[in-house]
Amino acid sequence: EEQLVESGGGLIQPGGSLRLSCAVSGFGVSHNYMSWVRQAPGKGLEWVSVIHGDGQTDYAESVKGRFTISRDNSKNRLYLQMNSLTTDDTAVYYCTREEGQSYMDVWGKGTTVTVSS
Amino acid sequence: DIQMTQSPSTLSASVGDRVTITCRASQSISRGLAWYQHKPGQAPRLLIHDASSLESGVPSRFSGSGSGTEFTLTISSLQPDDFATYFCQQYSSYWTFGQGTKVETK
Repeated sequence: EEQLVESGGGLIQPGGSLRLSCAVSGFGVSHNYMSWVRQAPGKGLEWVSVIHGDGQTDYAESVKGRFTISRDNSKNRLYLQMNSLTTDDTAVYYCTREEGQSYMDVWGKGTTVTVSS
Repeated sequence: DIQMTQSPSTLSASVGDRVTITCRASQSISRGLAWYQHKPGQAPRLLIHDASSLESGVPSRFSGSGSGTEFTLTISSLQPDDFATYFCQQYSSYWTFGQGTKVETK
């Protein structure tokens, strides 16, 4: 069964850093487009970052320069390193798999990040 | 950026009702649109991709239509398991999402 399980969320002070992890099972993280998507309280979903099968990465303007997406093929895990966090980064963060560079056909249940002093 | 406008934000319906949710794109996205179902505490579930292609395992009461800028998700006969939030997503240029439609019990 194809499954994504996020972890690493929590309460963090503004300016702090956090690393989210996504455990992938049922398929290889290296062979697919993988993204992080977030949903702030009371808001719609927002795409955050993608890593292509060839390792190319891309980011939403709102996180460019602060967040870094990566993967560990040996552990079959996806990561999101988040630095210089602000209260605007408070959200549930979802790990997703894309079919090519299109729709997201597998999602995790999400991990909650709260940025607050 | 392509903006997605979804309506209504909330929909009150009864079991057996025909339900329609609309998504409008700020520019043409051809058929690059997906629909998802999301229940609290669960992973979002892909229902429809490429505007009208039903994902494997999704009941046939769900259908999608449209192209260009106007898209519709229809549930032909609402079932108890269908009370959830539905959202659209364009993938013509990066990925953007509609604000979601909560389908609740009338």
